[in-house]
Amino acid sequence: GQQLNQSPQSMFIQEGEDVSMNCTSSSIFNTWLWYKQDPGEGPVLLIALYKAGELTSNGRLTAQFGITRKDSFLNISASIPSDVGIYFCAGPKPSNTGKLIFGQGTTLQVKP
Amino acid sequence: DGGITQSPKYLFRKEGQNVTLSCEQNLNHDAMYWYRQDPGQGLRLIYYSQIVNDFQKGDIAEGYSVSREKKESFPLTVTSAQKNPTAFYLCASSPGQGNNYGYTFGSGTRLTVV
Repeated sequence: GQQLNQSPQSMFIQEGEDVSMNCTSSSIFNTWLWYKQDPGEGPVLLIALYKAGELTSNGRLTAQFGITRKDSFLNISASIPSDVGIYFCAGPKPSNTGKLIFGQGTTLQVKP
Repeated sequence: DGGITQSPKYLFRKEGQNVTLSCEQNLNHDAMYWYRQDPGQGLRLIYYSQIVNDFQKGDIAEGYSVSREKKESFPLTVTSAQKNPTAFYLCASSPGQGNNYGYTFGSGTRLTVV
């Protein structure tokens, strides 16, 4: 079935560094969503992308909808300790049921 | 404020017992979902419901049961048939079919078998 592959699986960085992660699929998506899950909490939507090539920012976060429609990227600039968590990409199944497919997540740890 | 509420936050279960996790939303969303998350892993779909009085199995439904008698509520029962129930359980809701705006998640219930 359809899968979303996220990389890297985990990252351990120094505070202040920039972070890049990506999500790829063998199938085309019309929407890309990026969620962040704080430890012990539910995921929260960070950014939604609806158009190929679209670049959207939310504070220090920037996400891009790949022009092939098979990938998406999330960048975090000048990381801070509260950026710690798991970042998930997601996209709607093509059957238009409203169900989402989630990537396996990228775990980010930030060293102060 | 609209949102989705899971309770309890922490739950302990003795082996052989059934337990029910609560999920309530006031977002007027048609669809609701239950996911299981194990340490260091992604989200696995247990059950979902796209409309009241209807629900479907997800990828790991064995040992779980649900009901959807009201639009606002989608409780999950972890039965004694679930051999490894210790996990973090997440409930989510969405407007439903045709939705491209993602899910709203609850804050989760951590279930531990003692």
